[in-house]
Amino acid sequence: EVQLLESGGGFVQPGGALRLSCAASGFTFRNFAMSWVRQAPGKGLDWVASITSSSVNVYYADSIKGRFIISRDNTKNTIYLQMNSLRAEDTAVYYCAQDRLSLSLWGQGTLVTVSS
Amino acid sequence: QSALTQTASVSGSPGQSITISCTGSSTDIGAYNYVSWYQQHPGKAPKLMIYDVTSRPSGVSHRFSGSKSGHTASLTISGLQAEDEADYYCSSYTTSSTLVFGGGTKLTVL
Repeated sequence: EVQLLESGGGFVQPGGALRLSCAASGFTFRNFAMSWVRQAPGKGLDWVASITSSSVNVYYADSIKGRFIISRDNTKNTIYLQMNSLRAEDTAVYYCAQDRLSLSLWGQGTLVTVSS
Repeated sequence: QSALTQTASVSGSPGQSITISCTGSSTDIGAYNYVSWYQQHPGKAPKLMIYDVTSRPSGVSHRFSGSKSGHTASLTISGLQAEDEADYYCSSYTTSSTLVFGGGTKLTVL
């Protein structure tokens, strides 16, 4: 079955860090760019970051640049999002998605809550 | 990068057609034919409905169609059905190599 499965979400205090993972299955992972998209409670979709198939290029939204790092391990069919210096406004469901121009496959999301 | 502009809500009766618009600029919608549309039901992950302005992924109903003129893209849903009630988001690739989404449109089927 073709799917993406996120993990690593949870509750963290402002200034803290968290690492999200997204495990892919059912397709040739190493051939695809991948992306992270988030959605704050009751709000719209917000693109976070993308990484090309071989990790040569990474792209970030201005709102998280310098705080978040996207990476991937093609031997494990997994992408990651290292989130540092977290803020209350980073509270959201974080989705991983296949590709970076049109997001054809989405995971079910993992909730990150930043609060004191 | 500013979000693309979408009408907050739209409604229609079963069997009718509706159109949702998405307005951007010369650095996103006007620059490339990389406009996509997503459907999201409450509590669910988004689903790709249209990509590259007009293309439909396998399995998406022919009732969904996309178009673009200048800096504005549109999604048309014909023959509205109850299950079409959802939030719809547009997105576009940008000249900064980033992706930008619209604010979303809530579709209500009366």
